[in-house]
Amino acid sequence: DTEVTQTPKHLVMGMTNKKSLKCEQHMGHRAMYWYKQKAKKPPELMFVYSYEKLSINESVPSRFSPECPNSSLLNLHLHALQPEDSALYLCASSHGAGNTGELFFGEGSRLTVL
Amino acid sequence: GENVEQHPSTLSVQEGDSAVIKCTYSDSASNYFPWYKQELGKRPQLIIDIRSNVGEKKDQRIAVTLNKTAKHFSLHITETQPEDSAVYFCAATLFSGGYNKLIFGAGTRLAVHP
Repeated sequence: DTEVTQTPKHLVMGMTNKKSLKCEQHMGHRAMYWYKQKAKKPPELMFVYSYEKLSINESVPSRFSPECPNSSLLNLHLHALQPEDSALYLCASSHGAGNTGELFFGEGSRLTVL
Repeated sequence: GENVEQHPSTLSVQEGDSAVIKCTYSDSASNYFPWYKQELGKRPQLIIDIRSNVGEKKDQRIAVTLNKTAKHFSLHITETQPEDSAVYFCAATLFSGGYNKLIFGAGTRLAVHP
């Protein structure tokens, strides 16, 4: 299995809703990432987990809350989002935790905040 | 911090022509330079990467060159085909706060016309 699986593929939520994005990989990778991608822009790093511990938080607002329950799963909990948070949220994983190897991206969760 | 500049932002070529995309980086300590291809509505996928101890790397029609002195690296695609049409992102590592991070360029939209 060489895939990173993300659910849901599409999500529409109001500004008062609480929702979660989920990501799963079974490649034995030790680092997992959340990226945000706006239309016609590059992926923008949000969080990095290395060996199930949060190693990088790119000053992301607290309305985004990451969680890594185990080495195969990564969640992104969403609460009180703003319309400008609408974007494609990409999960990725890599074999090592050094961020100097191939990133395997999921297909993304397209989020719309109304 | 690291800044990765990518040019051109759009590139249009005829099928069979070559395409060249250039990136410059600012952090002389950067040591890993991947290139990702993102087709419309799809996930970014690694197409080739190069490390700082190598000057050039080839994989069939794709090659990457690295000039560490000038701090720039380039993607070369020969004999372009319509299926090469996509957005291409270069990236470079930035070592910050004890961790490596990948910084992406703004992207190049390549259109290959039959």
